[in-house]
This record gives sequence, structure tokens and C-alpha cells, in this order.
Amino acid sequence: GAVVSQHPSWVICKSGTSVKIECRSLDFQATTMFWYRQFPKQSLMLMATSNEGSKATYEQGVEKDKFLINHASLTLSTLTVTSAHPEDSSFYICSARDRPSEYYEQYFGPGTRLTVT
Amino acid sequence: EDQVTQSPEALRLQEGESSSLNCSYTVSGLRGLFWYRQDPGKGPEFLFTLYSAGEEKEKERLKATLTKKESFLHITAPKPEDSATYLCAVGPGSGTYKYIFGTGTRLKVLA
Repeated sequence: GAVVSQHPSWVICKSGTSVKIECRSLDFQATTMFWYRQFPKQSLMLMATSNEGSKATYEQGVEKDKFLINHASLTLSTLTVTSAHPEDSSFYICSARDRPSEYYEQYFGPGTRLTVT
Repeated sequence: EDQVTQSPEALRLQEGESSSLNCSYTVSGLRGLFWYRQDPGKGPEFLFTLYSAGEEKEKERLKATLTKKESFLHITAPKPEDSATYLCAVGPGSGTYKYIFGTGTRLKVLA
């Protein structure tokens, strides 16, 4: 149980275009999902917390107009990187918190490798 | 300020050579300490949750323990397939569900 998927697993886009990444909880309902960014050989950096049906909460320094997050249902959250630039190239990982659990383990997706050319 | 520190940064072991990874934390009102394994190019895989000092959990060759200031991940007789980055995260009692991550320990087990 507690499986989280991401799509696509990798994407290459041209500078100035937008890219959408999907995060789905496959076998549980997730009231809270998280979006992280990871650079090579570094730990995960939290970008934003998204709650189903409400606006995402962004971490300090993360541009909310650039990284649009939508958590439209209890099993789906999307991250859209708008007007992508090469510096946005990174490994993006989502996680989800199991709704009924009080113990709030986060279960992570497999990640999406974004390359902006 | 809430903080998590992992050591060592990198560790090389011979197959069968047991060792421990450390996760030290300072946090207000710990709600949970979490261990994950991450393979290159993949998302973290959940291993353990610890909630209170004195608690221990085991899974195959891994055993996690918790004190009021730190957690250890003991690896007994490791195999090459245990090679990965091990991440520690804490959940502070701040009312949110955010994690504070350590920087990880990169483990390499040599055959």
C-alpha cells in the first residue's frame, strides 16, 4: 500500500515553455501533498505544501507564480513550471500524506527529471 | 531553530561489516522521526517511523533507534544492495506536516 506515482518520469522542454507534472496517490486518499526539488548529491528542498481544495503554501524563496500547484482531488496534485528556464532543470519529487493516519509518514513518488534547453 | 544533522556524510563498508548512521536533531516538540532510503534517480523509500525515546524498529538488516537527541540506523552485515543514500527527517510539533530533512548519508557497500 501507500503508492505514489508521478508522470512524466522525465521531460525535456525548451526555454520559455510550460511543463506540468502530475502526482497521484494510487491506493489511498491524500489530504496533503508536498512538492520537493532535489539537486545532485543534495537533500530534498521543500517547495510547497498543497492541501486538497485549498491554495498551496509555498516555502520562502519559491516563486508561486512560476511554480503553480493545484490539488484538485484527494488523489491528484499537479505542479506546473511556467516559462521554464535552464535553471529550473532539476529533479522534482512529490509526496503524499495518508489521510486516515495520525502518524503522518510521507510517501514519495519516483520523481520527475526536468531538463530545460 | 529546528535542525537535523546526519553523519557521516559518506560511508564505505565491506560486505558484512556492520556500522551505524547517525541523525542528530534539535526540534521543538518532536512528533516523529522518519528514515528513508533513496537510490540514485529515484524518490525516497519509506523505512521507519519512530515516535518516542527508547523506541526501536527493525527491518531485515536495518534497525532504527531513537533517543531524545538523536537516532541511529544500524546496518548489520550489509550487502552491496544496501548501497544507497539514507535520509533522516523529523516532524516538529509546529502544527504543520512538513519534514525537516537531514543532508543524508551516502552508503557504499563493497562486495
